[in-house]
Amino acid sequence: AQSVAQPEDQVNVAEGNPLTVKCTYSVSGNPYLFWYVQYPNRGLQFLLKYITGDNLVKGSYGFEAEFNKSQTSFHLKKPSALVSDSALYFCAVRRSSASKIIFGSGTRLSIRP
Amino acid sequence: NAGVTQTPKFQVLKTGQSMTLQCAQDMNHEYMSWYRQDPGMGLRLIHYSVGAGITDQGEVPNGYNVSRSTTEDFPLRLLSAAPSQTSVYFCASSSYGTEDQPQHFGDGTRLSIL
Repeated sequence: AQSVAQPEDQVNVAEGNPLTVKCTYSVSGNPYLFWYVQYPNRGLQFLLKYITGDNLVKGSYGFEAEFNKSQTSFHLKKPSALVSDSALYFCAVRRSSASKIIFGSGTRLSIRP
Repeated sequence: NAGVTQTPKFQVLKTGQSMTLQCAQDMNHEYMSWYRQDPGMGLRLIHYSVGAGITDQGEVPNGYNVSRSTTEDFPLRLLSAAPSQTSVYFCASSSYGTEDQPQHFGDGTRLSIL
């Protein structure tokens, strides 16, 4: 079985400060990991993915994520938050290329001016 | 450049009614899936398909049917609607292979069961 946990329902950060949104996963074998963002009344948009290779993955809008196999984590990070980063963020995992994709419960990121 | 198209965008049903949520993609993606989004529950996978003629259950399949007769379409059928099925439903598609591709999502169908 595969699962994803996002332990924080909400993360609050001041604009200009670094941000981290946490994600841990459970899957057999090597995971395929993804981050998506959702703005109000819209579908999810892809931010970045880890399939293999460098543990630090860079994605859209200045976001990056670090894959840590020993801690089974894939935390989303950004060095300097913007108010426009405020949205709902989802972590997702799949076991292999053709398997189902499971999402976490989501973390609401709120950036205050 | 349509991507993933979901219809309808909004629907209100009475308990016991049936309906079909439509999903179509024009990217020739093999993989398609249906999720429901509920507050505090994230996205939960209902059914998915890895190609025409192939479907499988996700995390919460009860009360829903799917079929995949073509690559482009992946309709979701509610056989007898229940208030617990009030939710926002998202369809997604992607290709897969050696370079795993991210999913493209539709804008959702907001369904209310009275």
